[in-house]
Amino acid sequence: DQQVKQNSPSLSVQEGRISILNCDYTNSMFDYFLWYKKYPAEGPTFLISISSIKDKNEDGRFTVFLNKSAKHLSLHIVPSQPGDSAVYFCAASASWWTSGSRLTFGEGTQLTVNP
Amino acid sequence: DVKVTQSSRYLVKRTGEKVFLECVQDMDHENMFWYRQDPGLGLRLIYFSYDVKMKEKGDIPEGYSVSREKKERFSLILESASTNQTSMYLCASSFPWGPPLEQYFGPGTRLTVT
Repeated sequence: DQQVKQNSPSLSVQEGRISILNCDYTNSMFDYFLWYKKYPAEGPTFLISISSIKDKNEDGRFTVFLNKSAKHLSLHIVPSQPGDSAVYFCAASASWWTSGSRLTFGEGTQLTVNP
Repeated sequence: DVKVTQSSRYLVKRTGEKVFLECVQDMDHENMFWYRQDPGLGLRLIYFSYDVKMKEKGDIPEGYSVSREKKERFSLILESASTNQTSMYLCASSFPWGPPLEQYFGPGTRLTVT
C-alpha cells in the first residue's frame, strides 16, 4: 500500500504566482518529511525538510507546512519561476532514531511554471 | 560537494542476461540505497545497506541482489533480467542518523531490457 501519496500527478502555474504541492501520508510513525526536486535525466536533489515537532519550515522561496492531525504536508513556492519546472517528490521517515535514514517516497508531482 | 556516480547513464540488455549496476559515493557515507523510478509509482526502494557487507531488503527486492564489499561502492545485480525490470535506477547515499536525513542521489541509469 502507498504510505505516502501525492494525489496530483501534475500542476501548472504562471510565473510569479504561488505553487502549492500536496502530500498525504497514512503511517502515524512518520516523523520527518522531505521534499526533493528532480529534473529529467538527473537524480533527485534535496529541497527542504521538516520535523514533526514543527508545523512550518522556510527556506527562501520554499516553505513546507505540516498538519500532523490531518497527516498532510504541503510545499509552497513563492514566487514560482520557470526554472522550478520539475518533478517534486515528497518523502517521509519513521522513527529515524531507529530506522536510520530510510525514506518512503510519494509518486511525484510534475510542476510546470509557464512564463 | 557530495558526489554519487553511477557506472552507466543508459544500458540496453537482453532478457535473461545478468546485469550489474555500480554506484560509488565519495562522502564516506555509511548508508547506501538502490531505488527504481517508474511513472506514477515514484521511487521504490529495492535494497539498502548500512555498512560494508550488510544489506537489507527494501519494498521490492524480488529479482535483485546487491553487493557491498567496500564502503564507497554499492552494486545492484539483476540475476536474470526481465522486461518488467526496464526502469530508471537511482542510487543514493546518506549518513546513518540525523536529522538531517537527506539522501544524495546519483544521476540514474536508464535500463532497457528487450
